[in-house]
Amino acid sequence: NAGVTQTPKFQVLKTGQSMTLQCAQDMNHEYMSWYRQDPGMGLRLIHYSVGAGITDQGEVPNGYNVSRSTTEDFPLRLLSAAPSQTSVYFCASSYDRVNEKLFFGSGTQLSVL
Amino acid sequence: EDKVVQSPLSLVVHEGDTVTLNCSYEVTNFRSLLWYKQEKKAPTFLFMLTSSGIEKKSGRLSSILDKKELFSILNITATQTGDSAIYLCAVGGYTGTASKLTFGTGTRLQVTL
Repeated sequence: NAGVTQTPKFQVLKTGQSMTLQCAQDMNHEYMSWYRQDPGMGLRLIHYSVGAGITDQGEVPNGYNVSRSTTEDFPLRLLSAAPSQTSVYFCASSYDRVNEKLFFGSGTQLSVL
Repeated sequence: EDKVVQSPLSLVVHEGDTVTLNCSYEVTNFRSLLWYKQEKKAPTFLFMLTSSGIEKKSGRLSSILDKKELFSILNITATQTGDSAIYLCAVGGYTGTASKLTFGTGTRLQVTL
């Protein structure tokens, strides 16, 4: 059982480049989300989705786009990377929109130079 | 604004010691409090607490919630080097569309021989 799968594990970008972080889950979870983790800041919610075709902003959405065309996939797009987006990114899913028990992917370490 | 504060930020103990980690919170529409363990990358789920005064236990780990005083503690008895990790506290609050987890910055625990 793969759970939540994130790719890539590491990425280095130059300022202004765009890229997509991939996230897929095989647990038929309704709810999916993206967090970023920075030293001293804790995990902060970027965007979330309560089902296919439905997305909403979290605490720190600026500079990121998401879409949810299928139940399984929830990609995160950086439109024009900035050094402030250097962080560790986690995708997480849960059974439904009111179940707080999140299952996390292994994370993506992103550096923007 | 929802807030979760963990203490201490870090601690070093000897194998066999007992430790207590603290988590206090201010969250709108509280639904649950969760503890996660983060070793190398992905946080892994430990406990979810929703009711005051009911202790959850898993082996040497236990946790309890006080909804009146707005805090939780995580106890680890007979610590082992494998307990070395960052312990994250998260509190779930309902936004009207979905439950949202607010994370603390974590307590870094190091267990030495």
